[in-house]
This record gives sequence, structure tokens and C-alpha cells, in this order.
Amino acid sequence: NAGVTQTPKFQVLKTGQSMTLQCAQDMNHEYMSWYRQDPGMGLRLIHYSVGAGITDQGEVPNGYNVSRSTTEDFPLRLLSAAPSQTSVYFCASRSEGPPAPYEQYFGPGTRLTVT
Amino acid sequence: AQKITQTQPGMFVQEKEAVTLDCTYDTSDPSYGLFWYKQPSSGEMIFLIYQGSYDQQNATEGRYSLNFQKARKSANLVISASQLGDSAMYFCAMRASGGFKTIFGAGTRLFVKA
Repeated sequence: NAGVTQTPKFQVLKTGQSMTLQCAQDMNHEYMSWYRQDPGMGLRLIHYSVGAGITDQGEVPNGYNVSRSTTEDFPLRLLSAAPSQTSVYFCASRSEGPPAPYEQYFGPGTRLTVT
Repeated sequence: AQKITQTQPGMFVQEKEAVTLDCTYDTSDPSYGLFWYKQPSSGEMIFLIYQGSYDQQNATEGRYSLNFQKARKSANLVISASQLGDSAMYFCAMRASGGFKTIFGAGTRLFVKA
């Protein structure tokens, strides 16, 4: 049971390049989400999904796309990278069913630098 | 709109002493859950403790307890008998029951001194 995995761990992009951050979970969780973590701002929700084929926007969705074709995978796409997207990105998953607390399980994070 | 506020950017505590990390929240939902996560310098996010808004008793998990004051909308984390390994960033978070979005506070960095 690997939990939530993310690749790559580190990435450097030039402004304007595109890339996909990969996220996978093997816990059969319905709910998956992407956060970015910037100094002094905690974690901010980018996009989330409540099941295969269903996605929605979080607090800071601009510049990012997601899709959810399977329960296991939830990739995050940067369409045209900007320096403002330099951040640490976390993928998380959780169950929707009881019992509480339905805590989120986080991946190890991807540190992205855009120059 | 929901909001989480952590007003202590950094805290120092002596090893073996107790420390309280503050968290206040704002929501109009009558049913919600409050979470605390720990992020060590290695970067992973570790779930510590959960409090449901209708739970009658304060949550406890080992050395962690959550001081839940519903009328004041506060959910402070208390760490008893601090250890050097408790040095980390701590995040308070909230999600409305049945909701999909979990929002996080800005975090408090805790330093435990030997």
C-alpha cells in the first residue's frame, strides 16, 4: 500500500513551458485534491475531484487544469508556466465514507521552480 | 465564507513543557470538522487530531489534545510534554460536513528548545 504518490519530486521550468504533475493513490479514495503551499500562506486548494469524471475549482485554479479519468489518478497540468507558480504542490486524497474523521492523506509534494 | 486564522507565526517552547497553538475559525455551517496537521522539515503532512462540531468532548490523541470552544470559534492544539521532534510547522484546517473543500490556516512554526 503506497498511499499517495507524486512525481516528480523536483522540477524546474522556464516561463511558458507546460508540464503535468502526476498524482496517484491506491486506497480507492473517491476524493482527491491539489494544493499549493507558499511561505506564510498555508495550503491553498487549486482543484479537487469527488470521483472519476468529476472535477471542480478550488481557491486558486487559474493557470491549472485537471482531469480524473480513473479513481487512482489525478494529474495537474500547468498550461503555460509563470514565475508566480513557483511553489510546493501537494496532492491529497480521502475517503467519503464513514467513519470520521475523513482526514486527508497527502503525497510527499513536488517542488516546482519557474524561471 | 469559511476562514481559518492562526495568529502565531512562530512559537518557542522548552523541552518537556506544554504548548498551545492557537486557531480560530469562521463558518456559517452548523456541522463541520476541525483538523490539525504537522509538517516537519522533511515536508510531509501528518494528520494529528480531529474534532467534530457536535462532539461533546475535546479530542485527544496521545500527547495532543484539542481545546474546542465552539462559542468562541476556537480550536487550539495543546501539545503536552514537548519533545525535540515536535519542532515543525503546524496547520489548522476545517471542512464543512458533507463539503468537499478543506481550508487551511497559514500555520505556526514551533521550535522546541533543549
